[in-house]
Amino acid sequence: GDSVTQTEGLVTLTEGLPVMLNCTYQSTYSPFLFWYVQHLNEAPKLLLKSFTDNKRPEHQGFHATLHKSSSSFHLQKSSAQLSDSALYYCALSDPSGSWQLIFGSGTQLTVMP
Amino acid sequence: EAAVTQSPRSKVAVTGGKVTLSCHQTNNHDYMYWYRQDTGHGLRLIHYSYVADSTEKGDIPDGYKASRPSQENFSLILELASLSQTAVYFCASSERGNNQAPLFGEGTRLSVL
Repeated sequence: GDSVTQTEGLVTLTEGLPVMLNCTYQSTYSPFLFWYVQHLNEAPKLLLKSFTDNKRPEHQGFHATLHKSSSSFHLQKSSAQLSDSALYYCALSDPSGSWQLIFGSGTQLTVMP
Repeated sequence: EAAVTQSPRSKVAVTGGKVTLSCHQTNNHDYMYWYRQDTGHGLRLIHYSYVADSTEKGDIPDGYKASRPSQENFSLILELASLSQTAVYFCASSERGNNQAPLFGEGTRLSVL
């Protein structure tokens, strides 16, 4: 079945350094990919979603590029901020009709001063 | 403003007792979902619904029932709560279509003792 893999459970880096969180997926179809961000004791909130064309989604300084050839949708930001510390989930939509999101296991990002 | 409201926000239950978690959305969305969050497992789908008076099983439905009495309301029921069901539960709603990103509620923290 469809699945999403986030290889890093924990990422710690210094403020100002670039961020890259990995996301790869397996799907029989051409799914839509999403990134959600969850701050402590809050709801997961949509950060980015892929487009049908080759546009690169961007939000709050984050961007992600869908590479169908490598089945990846890595999340990137040029300069980390303290406020970026949060749990990040990559997810794909199930095109079989339920339209549920299939989530990866999440990456906890901690940005240090 | 679009909203998904969960109640209660936290609950302590006894093993073997019945627990009902409630969710209300004001978004006029057809789809509603119940996810469970556990560290290391991400968000896993328990039940979902795409129309009132009908529910579908997700990936981990064992030990859970769901009820959708109206488009706005979706409940998750634990008939016989067990220790393993201690987790944070999120309700979400979305429109139809596999590029639609679900909107999540604030979550319910359930502790079964």
